[in-house]
Amino acid sequence: DAGITQSPRHKVTETGTPVTLRCHQTENHRYMYWYRQDPGHGLRLIHYSYGVKDTDKGEVSDGYSVSRSKTEDFLLTLESATSSQTSVYFCAISPAREIGYTFGSGTRLTVV
Amino acid sequence: KQEVTQIPAALSVPEGENLVLNCSFTDSAIYNLQWFRQDPGKGLTSLLLIQSSQREQTSGRLNASLDKSSGRSTLYIAASQPGDSATYLCAVVGSSQGGSEKLVFGKGTKLTVNP
Repeated sequence: DAGITQSPRHKVTETGTPVTLRCHQTENHRYMYWYRQDPGHGLRLIHYSYGVKDTDKGEVSDGYSVSRSKTEDFLLTLESATSSQTSVYFCAISPAREIGYTFGSGTRLTVV
Repeated sequence: KQEVTQIPAALSVPEGENLVLNCSFTDSAIYNLQWFRQDPGKGLTSLLLIQSSQREQTSGRLNASLDKSSGRSTLYIAASQPGDSATYLCAVVGSSQGGSEKLVFGKGTKLTVNP
């Protein structure tokens, strides 16, 4: 979507390796989020950020860490990838809850 | 904990039919509700955003209503077209989250419109 990009779009990695996904925005929005989408579970929040260096955990944060050193970038790191982390990962941004949320195109991650 | 349910999980209709998708949520203390569309293998596209003080929002052939007290929202699609085929997701933001502004999603309704 315009103003938000995720990279890479697809990635295959081996169990036990570290992986970093990137979300980049050009909208200067305060809030950024990482969700994962799995069949039968829908979209679940992993971590979110409400400002530079301000982050917090979502409902499925185990095995994931995040960093936000600049307003425009929100990184999601899998410290040691496991097969259960095979999923589609979406980043979302928002200036404020009254305005709503915009989602990126997603990253399809496969852990083998 | 807020839970969002969407019924039905899947729906198949002939082209031209008017249809209603349902969304319910357990905690009525919401700030707003947003409907999204997701095409296979794609991201989420925002369709309509309803603030808690509003009863409905309209965009083209789409109309979304909100009854906060009963914990329900509906998405009405008029004169459905094959291009409307997609998964429709409902999500809410709680008003008691202390500014964290997190979306809680339902699992979606997969709509198929047959020519």
